[in-house]
Amino acid sequence: SQQGEEDPQALSIQEGENATMNCSYKTSINNLQWYRQNSGRGLVHLILIRSNEREKHSGRLRVTLDTSKKSSSLLITASRAADTASYFCATCSSNTGKLIFGQGTTLQVKP
Amino acid sequence: NAGVTQTPKFQVLKTGQSMTLQCAQDMNHEYMSWYRQDPGMGLRLIHYSVGAGITDQGEVPNGYNVSRSTTEDFPLRLLSAAPSQTSVYFCASSRQDTTEAFFGQGTRLTVV
Repeated sequence: SQQGEEDPQALSIQEGENATMNCSYKTSINNLQWYRQNSGRGLVHLILIRSNEREKHSGRLRVTLDTSKKSSSLLITASRAADTASYFCATCSSNTGKLIFGQGTTLQVKP
Repeated sequence: NAGVTQTPKFQVLKTGQSMTLQCAQDMNHEYMSWYRQDPGMGLRLIHYSVGAGITDQGEVPNGYNVSRSTTEDFPLRLLSAAPSQTSVYFCASSRQDTTEAFFGQGTRLTVV
């Protein structure tokens, strides 16, 4: 079974609003990563947060990690139509190093 | 700098046929992996490799074989295609098994 579970499955917002996506996982991790996938394309790495980090920023992206709750969130601030895509969390196992993906959140940003 | 290159981009197979999906990376990454993506299922790990000569199974390995004779190449073989293997296949590579992964553009496979 997949490691990460994402919530919500789909999100529709207006341009300029913030978008928040959540990810929960089950086992011990080395790090947690977020990826973006535009329709019909490959995945692009957005940000990596290590298990000993609690928050990380990259441009309009903010990621938090709560290892006690085994959960992470991705916040996209001041969203743009170009942010429309699917977003996936992926956990890197402490034991195996394997990268296991969640089912993803589909984000639609309306102009 | 090509990154991760997958060929072909599209393929239609008949049930029982065999084929090899090619994956090559030019970043000298040790870690490579294959995923399949199905609607509503996210990406599922098929096989992975931590270096030349070393491969291991992922979440859904049945029906697929891999080999890693060089650092650059990591082909995925379907020995006898089944309709259940209709999917989009992604190859990825990373410097180590704990660092960010770089993905190819995918191979869309249909088995009829």
